[in-house]
Amino acid sequence: GEDVEQSLFLSVREGDSSVINCTYTDSSSTYLYWYKQEPGAGLQLLTYIFSNMDMKQDQRLTVLLNKKDKHLSLRIADTQTGDSAIYFCAESMGGYNKLIFGAGTRLAVHP
Amino acid sequence: DSGVTQTPKHLITATGQRVTLRCSPRSGDLSVYWYQQSLDQGLQFLIQYYNGEERAKGNILERFSAQQFPDLHSELNLSSLELGDSALYFCASSADPLTPRTDTQYFGPGTRLTVL
Repeated sequence: GEDVEQSLFLSVREGDSSVINCTYTDSSSTYLYWYKQEPGAGLQLLTYIFSNMDMKQDQRLTVLLNKKDKHLSLRIADTQTGDSAIYFCAESMGGYNKLIFGAGTRLAVHP
Repeated sequence: DSGVTQTPKHLITATGQRVTLRCSPRSGDLSVYWYQQSLDQGLQFLIQYYNGEERAKGNILERFSAQQFPDLHSELNLSSLELGDSALYFCASSADPLTPRTDTQYFGPGTRLTVL
């Protein structure tokens, strides 16, 4: 079946790296996404990775994909207070298929 | 700003009533998706339209319906509202769901529905 799991909470110190983890169950997923939701706001697309890639880097963001273990991670380097938000992992099989979201990881950044 | 617009931003209504939520996709996007975000269910896919036609259906109640118009904007109609329908309703759009790298979904700011 379809299921995406994330840990619910992560606390880091400003300037440190944050690593948010996600596991998914559908091995036929072709696209995996990270979205960010700030309080009272919508979902902002942060980055995505195709299933034929192992890693993708975009400025402070690094996405790692382990297809064998169906594990996805988002690393945020030099975490800032503005990074405090809820981060959602989502999988999609592409085409007309829906996005399946995890429950979201709340990232708290403290001084 | 994703380019996806949703109105209204907030909606407060009573049980049994009917409301309409509106979404305008990003310029050039053909596909519109509706999602519901609630505390107990998280983010759930409701329905998808592509160029005016329904393409995929998720956990959408029979009391809910949607449509996509010729100008590609979409409306989600919620009727016989119950307390449990209180949630944040998101619309997303993508260019072409069948072409890789153009099927990424961009989300609007959402409509917060409160049913009293």
